[in-house]
Amino acid sequence: AQKVTQAQTEISVVEKEDVTLDCVYETRDTTYYLFWYKQPPSGELVFLIRRNSFDEQNEISGRYSWNFQKSTSSFNFTITASQVVDSAVYFCALRAGTASKLTFGTGTRLQVTL
Amino acid sequence: DGGITQSPKYLFRKEGQNVTLSCEQNLNHDAMYWYRQDPGQGLRLIYYSQIVNDFQKGDIAEGYSVSREKKESFPLTVTSAQKNPTAFYLCASTPGLLSSGANVLTFGAGSRLTVL
Repeated sequence: AQKVTQAQTEISVVEKEDVTLDCVYETRDTTYYLFWYKQPPSGELVFLIRRNSFDEQNEISGRYSWNFQKSTSSFNFTITASQVVDSAVYFCALRAGTASKLTFGTGTRLQVTL
Repeated sequence: DGGITQSPKYLFRKEGQNVTLSCEQNLNHDAMYWYRQDPGQGLRLIYYSQIVNDFQKGDIAEGYSVSREKKESFPLTVTSAQKNPTAFYLCASTPGLLSSGANVLTFGAGSRLTVL
């Protein structure tokens, strides 16, 4: 069985602060993919990143960075110098083995204020 | 621009009524999915379809039905048998099956159903 845990239900930060969203996953499969999606108030989930289990390189895209650590089964997401437009619900998801579906975490709501 | 269109965005229904949510995509994707989102529960898979005229139950299919008569369309019917239908419903698609590779889900903007 696969499981994704996002222990942080809600985070509030002031603009320009750095913030890290945690994601811990569980799977017995050796081949799997991890994803992060952003859900702004409009409701549509927007894809941010995909990482496969054989690629542990961290990734940076502008103000966004991701830290994948198989040793701790974590795939954390950091926003540097947060902005109000970053306010959204962020979901971590897992697809493992031959599964035809994604398993989503419960999401972390990020509120960035001025 | 290619994408997924869901309608209606908001829908109110009386108890005991069936309601159909529309999902149309012009991405030429083979696979389509319906998810349900409830506060604090993340997204749960209702049904998915790999090809026309074929679909499979997800984790919470009871009280729902779907059809896939055209590649572009995957409507979801919330029947009166669904005991707690008030939720946010999201349609998604992928070029091929998720299990066949690193396919990424593309989502529509969702439909919010409220049962009065």
